[in-house]
Amino acid sequence: DGGITQSPKYLFRKEGQNVTLSCEQNLNHDAMYWYRQDPGQGLRLIYYSQIVNDFQKGDIAEGYSVSREKKESFPLTVTSAQKNPTAFYLCASSATGDSYNEQFFGPGTRLTVL
Amino acid sequence: AQSVAQPEDQVNVAEGNPLTVKCTYSVSGNPYLFWYVQYPNRGLQFLLKYITGDNLVKGSYGFEAEFNKSQTSFHLKKPSALVSDSALYFCAVRDVNAGNMLTFGGGTRLMVKP
Repeated sequence: DGGITQSPKYLFRKEGQNVTLSCEQNLNHDAMYWYRQDPGQGLRLIYYSQIVNDFQKGDIAEGYSVSREKKESFPLTVTSAQKNPTAFYLCASSATGDSYNEQFFGPGTRLTVL
Repeated sequence: AQSVAQPEDQVNVAEGNPLTVKCTYSVSGNPYLFWYVQYPNRGLQFLLKYITGDNLVKGSYGFEAEFNKSQTSFHLKKPSALVSDSALYFCAVRDVNAGNMLTFGGGTRLMVKP
C-alpha cells in the first residue's frame, strides 16, 4: 500500500451524521484521489485534487466534500446528504495529475451505516 | 466518453497453467491502460501499464499484458499461475485527450486452484 495511510480502517455511522475519512501520503505526490468501491461495480471516482487548495468533482461527488489544505492530506467528508454511503472507500495518489502516471492506493476505509 | 469492460466475473485456473484475464476498452483518442490487483480488504496494487511503444508490457510478479489496438484489448497474462495469484484484478483506462480521470472495469476474480 506504499506510503499512503487511511484511517480508520472501519467506521460506523448513524444515519444523519457526517463522518470524515482521513488520507495521508508521504510520497510527495501532487495529485490525490478518492474512490468508492461497491461489489461488482469496480471503482468510481468521487473527488480528485491535482494541487493544494484545488479539487474537482468526479463521477459521484454528490453527498461528499473534500479539502486539500496540505499537499500530504486529502480528507473526505461523507455528509448526511449521501443516501447510501455504506461502501469501501479508497484514497490514491500519483506523482502528478498527468494521465500516464499510475496511482498508488491506500488500504481503504470500510464505512457502514447503522 | 471512455469505458472499460472485463467480460468475466471470475476466471478459474489450475496452478502451473497459463492464465488470461480479459479487458477491452473504448476511448475516442489514444489510451493509457493499467492493470491493478486487489487482495481481500486491501487497497489496489499497481501491476503494469501501457503508455506507448512495445505492445507487450511486462509488469510485477511475472505478469504481462498485450495491447491490441485493432481489437481494443489489453488482456493480462501469466505463463504459470500460482495459488497466491488468487485475487481481484482491475483494468483501467485513461483517454489521453480526455483529462486525468481513470475509468475502472468491474473487476475479475481470479481463482487459482492447487
